[in-house]
Amino acid sequence: EIVMTQSPATLSVSPGERATLSCRASQSVGSYLAWYQQKPGQAPRLLIYGASTRAAGIPARFSGSGSGTEFTLTISSLQSEDFAVYYCQQYTNWPPMYTFGQGTKLEIK
Amino acid sequence: QVQVVESGGGVVQPGRSLRLSCAASGFTFSSYGMHWVRQAPGKGLEWVAHIWYDGSGQFYADSVKGRFTISRDNSQNTLYLQMSGLRVDDTAVYYCARDQLSYFDFWGQGTLVTVSS
Repeated sequence: EIVMTQSPATLSVSPGERATLSCRASQSVGSYLAWYQQKPGQAPRLLIYGASTRAAGIPARFSGSGSGTEFTLTISSLQSEDFAVYYCQQYTNWPPMYTFGQGTKLEIK
Repeated sequence: QVQVVESGGGVVQPGRSLRLSCAASGFTFSSYGMHWVRQAPGKGLEWVAHIWYDGSGQFYADSVKGRFTISRDNSQNTLYLQMSGLRVDDTAVYYCARDQLSYFDFWGQGTLVTVSS
């Protein structure tokens, strides 16, 4: 089973600054990597898929990069609504398996 | 617009059964695979089960294999999760999510299942 490890567990950043979140896979997942945002009491929302493609309606300040085992989610200029928990997720094609990282909590500094 | 709405959660004793439902609208349900993903209180996300668009393939996380069954009724635009042999550690919010092969693009608001004596 592929293990996804996110770092840091908590990231404190001031509004307007850049945030960089990391996700590492225990073995290569190619570009089968997605990022989700979750706010308290809400369902997760898809941000990025295919490691770097923004989902519909996601602001351009969100960007994803990486392939293989190392991935990054960057939020270029933090807005108040961006403070949330972020999860990465990988996909294995056969048998289909999906694994999430443990999450990074992005909090206001 | 795309919408998925879960129902059927509640409090159940260990060892008992429960069936969750997910009503879909705003898209051609029979063209999409679907998933159940859960989140224990204060914890992260865990994929539970996946079913192909036509119901011919079902896949499960090891933690629920043999106890949970995913199914669908395309005539009713509804996804199901039959849970049996429930354990305390099955306590979670259960989300229904639409499949896009390698990721989940639309999620419901979830239904809470509490397993407790």
